Amino acid sequence: SQTIHQWPATLVQPVGSPLSLECTVEGTSNPNLYWYRQAAGRGLQLLFYSVGIGQISSEVPQNLSASRPQDRQFILSSKKLLLSDSGFYLCAADAAGNTEAFFGQGTRLTVV
Amino acid sequence: GENVEQHPSTLSVQEGDSAVIKCTYSDSASNYFPWYKQELGKRPQLIIDIRSNVGEKKDQRIAVTLNKTAKHFSLHITETQPEDSAVYFCAASRMWGGSTLGRLYFGRGTQLTVWP
Repeated sequence: SQTIHQWPATLVQPVGSPLSLECTVEGTSNPNLYWYRQAAGRGLQLLFYSVGIGQISSEVPQNLSASRPQDRQFILSSKKLLLSDSGFYLCAADAAGNTEAFFGQGTRLTVV
Repeated sequence: GENVEQHPSTLSVQEGDSAVIKCTYSDSASNYFPWYKQELGKRPQLIIDIRSNVGEKKDQRIAVTLNKTAKHFSLHITETQPEDSAVYFCAASRMWGGSTLGRLYFGRGTQLTVWP
């Protein structure tokens, strides 16, 4: 079965510091990968979408970037964090022939 | 991209009553509409979904209806129980190749509280 590992679970970072959140997927190959941000009252906002290695689509202008160096690895990054980057970040994955998107446990990021 | 609107943002019902959550979408090419349930402190999980070639789908106490013409779909929970309390998200996507999910856009969520 498909498993998504996402870490860290919580993170407190100062403004201006860099960010790297990692997500890895097990149990499937060639998944579509997603990064979402969940803010109170705003639901799940799609940030990045990837259909393959090196193929990243950005959904909204922002201070973040994403990379997919391997088929089942998705990384969310920032060079300099802003206060507004605080939130709950969720990685998700699905696979060809399977319409269900599975979520990781999420990372609670607080920028101070 | 797709814009999914969800209402209400909060919903309180008595145990045993029914709950209805409604969503609209903007992209007429969207053809796959899942619903996710997120319990406090946990990750969202799929509870039911519907494709655009179907008008209604039911799974025990949960049902989803879809009106393609009006571009809206709804989640119906009957005989609600306290354990149904959670945040529910609707979503829309263009599924391609018949079975592969495309970009998945979510509504803002509905906090459902079921009082015993």
